[in-house]
Amino acid sequence: GQSLEQPSEVTAVEGAIVQINCTYQTSGFYGLSWYQQHDGGAPTFLSYNALDGLEETGRFSSFLSRSDSYGYLLLQELQMKDSASYFCAVRRGSTLGRLYFGRGTQLTVWP
Amino acid sequence: SAVISQKPSRDICQRGTSLTIQCQVDSQVTMMFWYRQQPGQSLTLIATANQGSEATYESGFVIDKFPISRPNLTFSTLTVSNMSPEDSSIYLCSVERGQGYGYTFGSGTRLTVV
Repeated sequence: GQSLEQPSEVTAVEGAIVQINCTYQTSGFYGLSWYQQHDGGAPTFLSYNALDGLEETGRFSSFLSRSDSYGYLLLQELQMKDSASYFCAVRRGSTLGRLYFGRGTQLTVWP
Repeated sequence: SAVISQKPSRDICQRGTSLTIQCQVDSQVTMMFWYRQQPGQSLTLIATANQGSEATYESGFVIDKFPISRPNLTFSTLTVSNMSPEDSSIYLCSVERGQGYGYTFGSGTRLTVV
């Protein structure tokens, strides 16, 4: 089995920086992903870490420490449109790459 | 990246009936994944559908309740059988775009069972 823990909600103001943490327990770990989901929408892919370290994609960065079973998503220069749910997900299996999701973090960005 | 067409987008069904959800991908993919998301909750993997073989179900999900077809490399269906109000949820299909490139999700089917 697997378990993922992330905060249920985070609030911040426009222009700020927010970090959403994710700790996981799983077997057959092949990577940690992050997804964004707006109300009524489908999840959309943000980033993926298979190896330790930081991955940067525009305003979003993601970090992974496999030894600590820990990762985070860093959102910079927050905008109102960033208000959404953010899910971390572990990928299990190299060829049968199933994704297992955390409970999600609701981010609210205030003006 | 892959584009997935999922239908129906929503439906209201009577308990005891069945609903079949379809997903069409614009490119060939080896595996398709079916998820359930209850309102305000996380996504739970139901099963993995591989063309030419039976689907692999996660713990708590069985073929009799959620039969899956995968007739070719671009199409899959999930049937929710003998529905009860507890089956009310959003059902999503997904494909992997390549390791490291994330998964693409269909727009989801919002099912309400009355």
